[in-house]
Amino acid sequence: DVKVTQSSRYLVKRTGEKVFLECVQDMDHENMFWYRQDPGLGLRLIYFSYDVKMKEKGDIPEGYSVSREKKERFSLILESASTNQTSMYLCASSPPGPPYEQYFGPGTRLTVT
Amino acid sequence: RKEVEQDPGPFNVPEGATVAFNCTYSNSASQSFFWYRQDCRKEPKLLMSVYSSGNEDGRFTAQLNRASQYISLLIRDSKLSDSATYLCVVNIGDMRFGAGTRLTVKP
Repeated sequence: DVKVTQSSRYLVKRTGEKVFLECVQDMDHENMFWYRQDPGLGLRLIYFSYDVKMKEKGDIPEGYSVSREKKERFSLILESASTNQTSMYLCASSPPGPPYEQYFGPGTRLTVT
Repeated sequence: RKEVEQDPGPFNVPEGATVAFNCTYSNSASQSFFWYRQDCRKEPKLLMSVYSSGNEDGRFTAQLNRASQYISLLIRDSKLSDSATYLCVVNIGDMRFGAGTRLTVKP
Protein backbone atom coordinates (compact mmCIF):
# COMPACT_ATOMS: atom_id res chain seq x y z
CA ASP A 1 0.00 0.00 0.00
CA VAL A 2 1.13 3.53 -0.75
CA LYS A 3 1.92 5.43 2.37
CA VAL A 4 2.17 9.20 2.54
CA THR A 5 2.92 10.67 5.93
CA GLN A 6 2.88 14.25 7.13
CA SER A 7 4.88 15.56 10.06
CA SER A 8 1.97 16.90 12.13
CA ARG A 9 -1.80 16.41 12.25
CA TYR A 10 -2.43 19.68 14.09
CA LEU A 11 -0.26 22.76 14.33
CA VAL A 12 -0.80 26.16 15.93
CA LYS A 13 1.55 28.98 15.00
CA ARG A 14 1.69 32.72 15.53
CA THR A 15 1.52 35.35 12.82
CA GLY A 16 4.95 36.00 11.35
CA GLU A 17 6.45 32.64 12.30
CA LYS A 18 8.22 30.50 9.74
CA VAL A 19 6.41 27.18 9.41
CA PHE A 20 7.69 23.90 7.96
CA LEU A 21 5.34 21.14 6.87
CA GLU A 22 6.99 17.88 5.89
CA CYS A 23 5.70 15.10 3.70
CA VAL A 24 7.27 11.70 3.08
CA GLN A 25 6.14 8.97 0.69
CA ASP A 26 7.42 5.41 0.57
CA MET A 27 6.43 4.33 -2.94
CA ASP A 28 9.27 5.89 -4.93
CA HIS A 29 6.83 8.23 -6.68
CA GLU A 30 8.33 10.92 -8.88
CA ASN A 31 5.49 13.39 -8.44
CA MET A 32 4.60 15.17 -5.23
CA PHE A 33 2.07 17.89 -4.52
CA TRP A 34 0.98 20.32 -1.84
CA TYR A 35 -2.65 21.45 -1.60
CA ARG A 36 -4.69 23.44 0.79
CA GLN A 37 -8.34 22.65 1.40
CA ASP A 38 -10.85 25.21 2.57
CA PRO A 39 -14.63 24.81 2.95
CA GLY A 40 -16.48 25.48 -0.29
CA LEU A 41 -13.27 25.94 -2.27
CA GLY A 42 -12.08 22.38 -2.63
CA LEU A 43 -8.44 21.50 -2.97
CA ARG A 44 -6.17 24.17 -4.43
CA LEU A 45 -2.71 23.38 -5.67
CA ILE A 46 0.10 25.34 -4.04
CA TYR A 47 3.24 23.75 -5.49
CA PHE A 48 4.25 20.50 -7.12
CA SER A 49 7.41 18.68 -8.03
CA TYR A 50 8.10 16.12 -10.74
CA ASP A 51 11.63 15.31 -9.63
CA VAL A 52 14.26 15.95 -7.00
CA LYS A 53 15.33 19.60 -6.85
CA MET A 54 12.53 20.49 -9.22
CA LYS A 55 9.48 22.57 -8.29
CA GLU A 56 6.64 24.25 -10.10
CA LYS A 57 4.13 26.82 -8.89
CA GLY A 58 0.53 25.80 -8.66
CA ASP A 59 -2.49 28.07 -8.50
CA ILE A 60 -1.81 29.77 -5.18
CA PRO A 61 1.96 29.84 -4.49
CA GLU A 62 2.07 33.29 -2.89
CA GLY A 63 3.39 33.17 0.66
CA TYR A 64 4.73 29.62 0.26
CA SER A 65 7.90 27.94 -0.88
CA VAL A 66 8.91 24.29 -1.19
CA SER A 67 11.96 22.09 -1.02
CA ARG A 68 12.62 18.69 -2.53
CA GLU A 69 16.11 17.52 -1.70
CA LYS A 70 15.26 13.82 -1.72
CA LYS A 71 12.80 11.92 -3.86
CA GLU A 72 10.69 10.74 -0.96
CA ARG A 73 10.44 14.08 0.86
CA PHE A 74 8.63 17.28 -0.11
CA SER A 75 8.52 20.18 2.32
CA LEU A 76 6.18 23.16 2.33
CA ILE A 77 7.43 26.35 3.93
CA LEU A 78 5.36 29.30 5.05
CA GLU A 79 7.92 32.07 5.10
CA SER A 80 5.92 34.34 7.42
CA ALA A 81 2.66 32.79 8.51
CA SER A 82 -0.49 34.87 8.26
CA THR A 83 -4.01 34.24 9.55
CA ASN A 84 -5.32 33.69 5.99
CA GLN A 85 -3.04 30.66 5.77
CA THR A 86 -5.10 28.89 8.42
CA SER A 87 -6.23 25.81 6.52
CA MET A 88 -5.95 22.06 6.03
CA TYR A 89 -2.76 21.23 4.13
CA LEU A 90 -2.65 18.00 2.17
CA CYS A 91 0.36 16.40 0.57
CA ALA A 92 -0.01 13.90 -2.26
CA SER A 93 2.18 11.76 -4.45
CA SER A 94 1.68 9.95 -7.73
CA PRO A 95 3.63 7.85 -10.20
CA PRO A 96 4.65 9.61 -13.42
CA GLY A 97 2.34 7.98 -15.94
CA PRO A 98 -1.36 7.40 -16.45
CA PRO A 99 -3.84 7.01 -14.90
CA TYR A 100 -2.30 9.72 -12.68
CA GLU A 101 -4.22 9.03 -9.50
CA GLN A 102 -2.82 10.72 -6.44
CA TYR A 103 -2.36 9.32 -2.96
CA PHE A 104 -2.82 11.67 -0.06
CA GLY A 105 -1.29 12.03 3.36
CA PRO A 106 -3.55 12.48 6.41
CA GLY A 107 -3.30 16.27 6.30
CA THR A 108 -2.07 18.96 8.66
CA ARG A 109 -4.62 21.31 10.14
CA LEU A 110 -2.71 24.56 10.62
CA THR A 111 -4.08 27.40 12.69
CA VAL A 112 -2.30 30.75 12.59
CA THR A 113 -3.22 33.09 15.42
CA ARG B 1 -16.74 29.54 -14.19
CA LYS B 2 -15.08 26.95 -11.98
CA GLU B 3 -13.09 24.25 -13.74
CA VAL B 4 -14.91 21.46 -11.94
CA GLU B 5 -18.38 22.03 -10.52
CA GLN B 6 -20.38 19.82 -8.23
CA ASP B 7 -23.64 20.20 -6.36
CA PRO B 8 -22.43 20.62 -2.76
CA GLY B 9 -25.51 18.90 -1.33
CA PRO B 10 -26.03 17.76 1.29
CA PHE B 11 -27.78 14.68 0.01
CA ASN B 12 -29.62 12.94 2.84
CA VAL B 13 -30.88 9.51 1.83
CA PRO B 14 -32.19 6.44 3.67
CA GLU B 15 -30.28 3.18 3.70
CA GLY B 16 -30.89 1.17 0.59
CA ALA B 17 -31.59 4.18 -1.60
CA THR B 18 -29.96 4.86 -4.94
CA VAL B 19 -28.26 8.22 -5.22
CA ALA B 20 -26.55 9.93 -8.15
CA PHE B 21 -24.07 12.76 -8.25
CA ASN B 22 -23.13 14.80 -11.28
CA CYS B 23 -20.07 16.85 -11.97
CA THR B 24 -19.31 19.17 -14.89
CA TYR B 25 -15.92 20.27 -16.12
CA SER B 26 -14.95 23.17 -18.34
CA ASN B 27 -11.75 22.03 -20.06
CA SER B 28 -12.48 19.89 -23.08
CA ALA B 29 -8.83 18.77 -23.15
CA SER B 30 -9.23 16.93 -19.86
CA GLN B 31 -7.39 13.64 -19.98
CA SER B 32 -8.56 11.49 -17.12
CA PHE B 33 -11.27 11.52 -14.52
CA PHE B 34 -11.74 10.22 -11.01
CA TRP B 35 -14.07 10.08 -8.05
CA TYR B 36 -12.46 10.42 -4.65
CA ARG B 37 -14.11 9.88 -1.30
CA GLN B 38 -13.28 12.00 1.73
CA ASP B 39 -14.49 11.16 5.21
CA CYS B 40 -14.85 13.90 7.80
CA ARG B 41 -11.44 15.22 8.87
CA LYS B 42 -9.63 12.64 6.74
CA GLU B 43 -7.69 12.73 3.52
CA PRO B 44 -9.27 12.08 0.10
CA LYS B 45 -8.98 8.50 -1.11
CA LEU B 46 -9.44 7.24 -4.62
CA LEU B 47 -12.85 5.64 -5.07
CA MET B 48 -12.64 4.89 -8.76
CA SER B 49 -11.30 6.08 -12.05
CA VAL B 50 -13.84 7.00 -14.71
CA TYR B 51 -13.41 5.55 -18.17
CA SER B 52 -15.04 6.62 -21.43
CA SER B 53 -16.94 3.37 -21.63
CA GLY B 54 -18.22 3.73 -18.08
CA ASN B 55 -17.22 1.43 -15.28
CA GLU B 56 -18.70 -0.34 -12.33
CA ASP B 57 -17.25 -1.42 -9.02
CA GLY B 58 -19.78 -3.28 -6.92
CA ARG B 59 -22.53 -0.83 -5.95
CA PHE B 60 -20.75 2.10 -7.61
CA THR B 61 -21.08 3.05 -11.27
CA ALA B 62 -19.24 5.91 -12.92
CA GLN B 63 -20.07 7.40 -16.31
CA LEU B 64 -18.30 9.94 -18.48
CA ASN B 65 -19.96 12.05 -21.16
CA ARG B 66 -17.21 13.89 -23.04
CA ALA B 67 -19.57 15.64 -25.43
CA SER B 68 -21.46 17.28 -22.56
CA GLN B 69 -18.42 17.41 -20.29
CA TYR B 70 -19.93 15.77 -17.29
CA ILE B 71 -19.18 12.83 -15.05
CA SER B 72 -21.60 10.97 -12.87
CA LEU B 73 -21.42 8.62 -9.91
CA LEU B 74 -24.28 6.29 -9.04
CA ILE B 75 -24.42 4.53 -5.70
CA ARG B 76 -26.93 1.70 -5.37
CA ASP B 77 -28.22 0.17 -2.14
CA SER B 78 -26.67 2.92 -0.01
CA LYS B 79 -25.01 1.89 3.26
CA LEU B 80 -24.46 3.98 6.38
CA SER B 81 -20.74 3.67 5.66
CA ASP B 82 -21.18 5.48 2.35
CA SER B 83 -21.67 8.74 4.27
CA ALA B 84 -18.82 10.97 3.13
CA THR B 85 -17.96 13.79 0.74
CA TYR B 86 -17.43 12.73 -2.85
CA LEU B 87 -14.93 14.70 -4.88
CA CYS B 88 -14.98 14.86 -8.65
CA VAL B 89 -11.45 15.15 -10.07
CA VAL B 90 -10.33 15.99 -13.59
CA ASN B 91 -6.78 15.78 -14.92
CA ILE B 92 -5.87 18.57 -17.34
CA GLY B 93 -2.15 18.09 -16.97
CA ASP B 94 -2.54 18.57 -13.28
CA MET B 95 -5.46 17.50 -11.13
CA ARG B 96 -8.46 19.77 -10.66
CA PHE B 97 -10.76 19.01 -7.77
CA GLY B 98 -14.39 19.84 -7.33
CA ALA B 99 -15.45 21.20 -3.94
CA GLY B 100 -17.27 17.94 -3.20
CA THR B 101 -20.78 16.63 -2.69
CA ARG B 102 -21.71 15.65 0.82
CA LEU B 103 -23.74 12.47 1.30
CA THR B 104 -25.39 11.34 4.52
CA VAL B 105 -27.04 7.93 4.58
CA LYS B 106 -29.52 7.55 7.43
CA PRO B 107 -30.96 4.40 9.04
